[in-house]
Amino acid sequence: GNSVTQMEGPVTLSEEAFLTINCTYTATGYPSLFWYVQYPGEGLQLLLKATKADDKGSNKGFEATYRKETTSFHLEKGSVQVSDSAVYFCALFNQAGTALIFGKGTTLSVSS
Amino acid sequence: EAQVTQNPRYLITVTGKKLTVTCSQNMNHEYMSWYRQDPGLGLRQIYYSMNVEATDKGDVPEGYKVSRKEKRNFPLILESPSPNQTSLYFCASSYFTGGKGNEQFFGPGTRLTVL
Repeated sequence: GNSVTQMEGPVTLSEEAFLTINCTYTATGYPSLFWYVQYPGEGLQLLLKATKADDKGSNKGFEATYRKETTSFHLEKGSVQVSDSAVYFCALFNQAGTALIFGKGTTLSVSS
Repeated sequence: EAQVTQNPRYLITVTGKKLTVTCSQNMNHEYMSWYRQDPGLGLRQIYYSMNVEATDKGDVPEGYKVSRKEKRNFPLILESPSPNQTSLYFCASSYFTGGKGNEQFFGPGTRLTVL
């Protein structure tokens, strides 16, 4: 079945540093790919998504490109801020489209 | 405002005492789902519903029940809670178009502790 693997955290960065969180997937066909973010004490929010190969999703300075050749959807941001401190989840749907399958989450901590 | 609401947000209970966590959405979504989040395991689906009176098991349904009598509501029922159900629970909803799936909107979470 479909699955997703993302890098373990925590990731600790200084403000304005470059961020990469790796995510790779295994899937039948070409599912939509998602990054969700969970700020402390809150629910999950969709950060960005890509629906087909070579699509680039972007939002709030974050970007991720759907790479079919490497089955990857790495999250990047050129200059992180303290307010980006959160847990980030890579996700895709199962084959039936009835459940999101999440990576285990990567905790990002940004200090000033 | 489009949203998914859950109640209660925090609950401490004892083993065996039946409880219900409510979930409601105001976006007229057909699809609703419950997930639990545990450290090191990420989020796992408990149950989902494709529409009124249509529910099905997710990956970890043991010890839980759900119902979908109205489109907007999808309560999660723990008839005899046990300590291994201590977790953070999220309700989600979306339109359903099959296959690729659509963005799911999540509630704020319910932190449950079973003593």
